[in-house]
Amino acid sequence: AQSVAQPEDQVNVAEGNPLTVKCTYSVSGNPYLFWYVQYPNRGLQFLLKYITGDNLVKGSYGFEAEFNKSQTSFHLKKPSALVSDSALYFCAVRDDPFDKIIFGKGTRLHILP
Amino acid sequence: DAGITQSPRYKITETGRQVTLMCHQTWSHSYMFWYRQDLGHGLRLIYYSAAADITDKGEVPDGYVVSRSKTENFPLTLESATRSQTSVYFCASSPSGTSGTDGELFFGEGSRLTVL
Repeated sequence: AQSVAQPEDQVNVAEGNPLTVKCTYSVSGNPYLFWYVQYPNRGLQFLLKYITGDNLVKGSYGFEAEFNKSQTSFHLKKPSALVSDSALYFCAVRDDPFDKIIFGKGTRLHILP
Repeated sequence: DAGITQSPRYKITETGRQVTLMCHQTWSHSYMFWYRQDLGHGLRLIYYSAAADITDKGEVPDGYVVSRSKTENFPLTLESATRSQTSVYFCASSPSGTSGTDGELFFGEGSRLTVL
């Protein structure tokens, strides 16, 4: 069965600094990996995904993520954080394209002005 | 309107009562999912469906029942609500395949359920 771990409950970053939100996963086959963001009192919004191809994936709002198969990681990154990036971020994994999607516990990102 | 809608958005009920949360999507996506969101637990999958009349258990299915007689609808029923089922419930849909938006989840706005 697949699983996802987000080791940090909260990440604090000063505005303008680079940010990283960590995610590791476990699947039996080839992973389909996703990042979603949730703003207060809203549903989740898709940020980016890795299915196959380049290990560095670019997504919405200037975010990117790096797939590392040997470390089974899919960390979310952004070169320069904005205060508006403050939100709850979820990593998710799908074991194959026709299966369930499992989420991590989420990481709250605080960007400090 | 196009998209995925959940109803009711807010519900207060009492222990032991039956509650049904509705989910409707207009994209004809093959997959539909129900998640619950709780502090400290993130999003946990309750049930999911690959197509009409095909459903499967997720991580926390106990106490819940689902059905999918039509592609566009995926209701979630709490047959006898308990306080531990107080949560925010999210419905989501996903197209099948691996190209374009395939594999991505599209979420509803959530249904906040309080069981007294």
